[in-house]
Amino acid sequence: KQEVTQIPAALSVPEGENLVLNCSFTDSAIYNLQWFRQDPGKGLTSLLLIQSSQREQTSGRLNASLDKSSGRSTLYIAASQPGDSATYLCAVRTNAGKSTFGDGTTLTVKP
Amino acid sequence: EAGVAQSPRYKIIEKRQSVAFWCNPISGHATLYWYQQILGQGPKLLIQFQNNGVVDDSQLPKDRFSAERLKGVDSTLKIQPAKLEDSAVYLCASSSAGRGVFTGELFFGEGSRLTVL
Repeated sequence: KQEVTQIPAALSVPEGENLVLNCSFTDSAIYNLQWFRQDPGKGLTSLLLIQSSQREQTSGRLNASLDKSSGRSTLYIAASQPGDSATYLCAVRTNAGKSTFGDGTTLTVKP
Repeated sequence: EAGVAQSPRYKIIEKRQSVAFWCNPISGHATLYWYQQILGQGPKLLIQFQNNGVVDDSQLPKDRFSAERLKGVDSTLKIQPAKLEDSAVYLCASSSAGRGVFTGELFFGEGSRLTVL
């Protein structure tokens, strides 16, 4: 059974700082890994999707990496802004088509 | 392109009452998912449809929860009778299949927040 862990559960940084969010998973036989952002009271917004054969994906100030052998993914946010404050979740999809989510990291960026 | 639509956004009921949630996926998306998200936790899969067939309902509490996807498009999730522990956000998601390369990317709706008193 796939287990997904996100540490830390909460993170507070000053504006402008670069930061890394972590996602670890127990079964390396994955189809893809997807990072989401969730604002309070809202649904999940897809940020980056990394396929099993890829090592990283980039979108603007966001960069996600994937290391299947160690069961880890990181989401790097450059030059953080108060608008980046949200909960960030990762989801790992198996080849059977089932996605398992972590419990998320709640990020607060202080002006 | 329109996103995943869900309704209602909010619902408050008393325990033992019934409630139904509706979802319309992105046009052309064959796979539809219902997730339950309890405050402070990640979403947990309740049921997954491929077209109008059930792929995975192993985590669906079938004594009180039911879901259908008639005609392979929109879907309804019903809870009857509701319990206090059903208070959560019910998220609908869809992903495409059979159109070009399948990526498995999930697209979510805004969710339906249920409070059971």
